[in-house]
Amino acid sequence: AQRVTQPEKLLSVFKGAPVELKCNYSYSGSPELFWYVQYSRQRLQLLLRHISRESIKGFTADLNKGETSFHLKKPFAQEEDSAMYYCALRMDSSYKLIFGSGTRLLVRP
Amino acid sequence: EPEVTQTPSHQVTQMGQEVILRCVPISNHLYFYWYRQILGQKVEFLVSFYNNEISEKSEIFDDQFSVERPDGSNFTLKIRSTKLEDSAMYFCATDGRDSKNIQYFGAGTRLSVL
Repeated sequence: AQRVTQPEKLLSVFKGAPVELKCNYSYSGSPELFWYVQYSRQRLQLLLRHISRESIKGFTADLNKGETSFHLKKPFAQEEDSAMYYCALRMDSSYKLIFGSGTRLLVRP
Repeated sequence: EPEVTQTPSHQVTQMGQEVILRCVPISNHLYFYWYRQILGQKVEFLVSFYNNEISEKSEIFDDQFSVERPDGSNFTLKIRSTKLEDSAMYFCATDGRDSKNIQYFGAGTRLSVL
């Protein structure tokens, strides 16, 4: 079955440190991958998607089909990056999103 | 920036009661979704809706659940006879199905079944 795995429930780093939030997926077709972010008391909002290949708020993510991964990276974390991050998959046969369990990123001063 | 609006933000109900959760989509969006997140668990897809029909539904979306767009603006999720295990955050999402294919989420309704 299609699945998204985010192995870390909590990732704590100091301000200025590099960040990598891991996401692995299982799907044999052509997936579309997303990262959604949820800041405290706010709604889920799209951070980035693999097909746009852009950097948002300093974050990047590359789809690695060989490793079935879509890890989110930022070279220098900021305190305002503290939030819940959800990786999500859309299959080529459907429009529903399949979410990972989320990783809470805590950036300490 | 346009937003998806959900009401109420928090709904408390007794087990066995009916609840209706409401969502106002972004104007000109025609594709609608409901997701839920039980506390401590993943965000799970419930149902997608387009052109007054269900496009896709999950195993969770059983006969106790229904969706409709009664007045051309609100998109509603009805739970006929709530159970304790229906307690969760319910998120509405809408999609313009334009070239970006992005789902925009509402802030959610927290449903507490007592």
